[in-house]
Amino acid sequence: AQSVTQPDIHITVSEGASLELRCNYSYGATPYLFWYVQSPGQGLQLLLKYFSGDTLVQGIKGFEAEFKRSQSSFNLRKPSVHWSDAAEYFCAVGAYNFNKFYFGSGTKLNVKP
Amino acid sequence: GAGVSQSPSNKVTEKGKDVELRCDPISGHTALYWYRQRLGQGLEFLIYFQGNSAPDKSGLPSDRFSAERTGESVSTLTIQRTQQEDSAVYLCATRDRHYEQYFGPGTRLTVT
Repeated sequence: AQSVTQPDIHITVSEGASLELRCNYSYGATPYLFWYVQSPGQGLQLLLKYFSGDTLVQGIKGFEAEFKRSQSSFNLRKPSVHWSDAAEYFCAVGAYNFNKFYFGSGTKLNVKP
Repeated sequence: GAGVSQSPSNKVTEKGKDVELRCDPISGHTALYWYRQRLGQGLEFLIYFQGNSAPDKSGLPSDRFSAERTGESVSTLTIQRTQQEDSAVYLCATRDRHYEQYFGPGTRLTVT
């Protein structure tokens, strides 16, 4: 069965520190992978996506993610976190024909000043 | 409009009542999705519309849930005989030709 696991429910990092949010997926075919951010009071916004090609993808707001097929992972990274990055982050897998998307349960990021 | 809009933004209803939630898509986006987000959880797929094709209803949790969309226009999600476990935020999203989803702000449904 298709599923997405985000093992960290909450993460706290200091402003300026590096960040890595974990995402593992289970999907029978080549996955289409996404990361979304949900800020308080705002809708979900796409950070980046991976369909094929270079396994390191760059997104908005200085985020990047790396697809590792052998580990079924698509971890999100940022070298230096800003206070405005505090939000909830969701990893998602798109079905091969995009008729549905499977979302992880999210990771809430707190940023310490 | 510039983005996906949903109405109402908040809805409080009594158990057993029917509710109707509305989604206004981005013009030109043929694909539309409904999701449910329970408190502290991820998004749960409910239903998918693509143009005039038959919708994918595989995520609807019970026959109390139904949704309609005519062509590429407004979609409505109806929940009949609401139960307390239906309390959640209901999100609508449309998808562009680059397979990117654009989400509405959601409708927060509270069943008392």
